[in-house]
Parts: sequence; C-alpha cells; structure tokens
Amino acid sequence: DVKVTQSSRYLVKRTGEKVFLECVQDMDHENMFWYRQDPGLGLRLIYFSYDVKMKEKGDIPEGYSVSREKKERFSLILESASTNQTSMYLCASIPDRGVYNEQFFGPGTRLTVL
Amino acid sequence: QKEVEQDPGPLSVPEGAIVSLNCTYSNSAFQYFMWYRQYSRKGPELLMYTYSSGNKEDGRFTAQVDKSSKYISLFIRDSQPSDSATYLCAMSEGGNNRKLIWGLGTSLAVNP
Repeated sequence: DVKVTQSSRYLVKRTGEKVFLECVQDMDHENMFWYRQDPGLGLRLIYFSYDVKMKEKGDIPEGYSVSREKKERFSLILESASTNQTSMYLCASIPDRGVYNEQFFGPGTRLTVL
Repeated sequence: QKEVEQDPGPLSVPEGAIVSLNCTYSNSAFQYFMWYRQYSRKGPELLMYTYSSGNKEDGRFTAQVDKSSKYISLFIRDSQPSDSATYLCAMSEGGNNRKLIWGLGTSLAVNP
C-alpha cells in the first residue's frame, strides 16, 4: 500500500520562526512536490524535485525553500514564517515510470502562523 | 484567464441524484485528464483518469473528455452521502512533464 506521510497534522508557529515541514514516501518515487491549498485559490505548487538534491521552483516559491538529501524525504522550509503563510500544506509524489501523472498525496499539515 | 477553470460550487444534491462536474481548459497540449476526490482534512486521491478524448466508466462514475471543446466532465450516478467531498480536476501534458495543472475544486454535498 502506497504511503506518503507528513510530520505533523497541525502546527502553530509564531511570526519570524523558522518552520520545517517534513514529507516521507515509501514508494521509491523519484518526483516529489509541495503544494499549499487555500480556499478560493485551490492547490498551488511551491516547489518540486525530480531527484535527490534537485529542486525546481513552482508557481509560488517566495518565502520558501526545500531540501532533498534522500530520495524518500522532501522537506519544506519557511525561513521566517509570516501570517500569510497560514495554510494547508500538502506533499505528493509520483514515480518516473508510468504513463500518466497520478500524484500520491500525504494527509496534509495545517499550519497556523500567529 | 486561468489555464484550467472549475466552478467551486458549492453543489448540494439529494441522495440518488445524478451529479455533473465540469472543467474547461485552454492548453491544447494537455493529454492526461484526471479527477481527484478530497475528503475533509485529507489529501486528494485519484478517482479517475482519461488519456486524450473519450469516455471512461468505473462503477457509478463516468469521465468524459472532449478535446475539441477543451471540456471535461465527471458524472456520478445514484449519488450517495459518502460522495460528499471536493472534486478536483487536473491535467497534464504527460511525457517528461510531471506537473499537474489543477482546477480549484468543486465542493459537493449529497444530502440523505
């Protein structure tokens, strides 16, 4: 059974804190993604990674960075959290093999920045 | 104009109704068309996918793609309260492009 896990379901941080969101997949997938999901704005891609130590900016990378030191783990970092980064954060992964892009999602982390 | 347009609803129907959910798109290079279902406080899960034009049926669900009109649909027959969720359409050019382009999602409530 495929599985994507995220380190926290709910997180509350203060403005200016450095925040780490962790995502781990056990499916040996090459590609991993970080999204945020907000009412009225849908899913927006922050960063993605095609391979270990590789990263590409998505549509809204400002204020975020990522790290992929191991194939199974993709971390999202908020260098200095701000209130407008309060959101639901979703991690997803897909393999290189396969003819279509089914993304497997984690359960999400609801982050509140006070 | 967004690349993928989807009416966010909310849509409320009685149990047993036929539900029609739709998305339009502007990029003619899209080849793969997907519908994801997202329950409250969960991540999205793939419900159905279609390659290029045509219909695909899976139980009570039917996905249709009309590439000439750049229009995709998801039909749910005999809707159940357990179908209450947000339905997101997603599209991809495929090949080496692993990014999905997402609709906003339509919130559906099926009332017993």
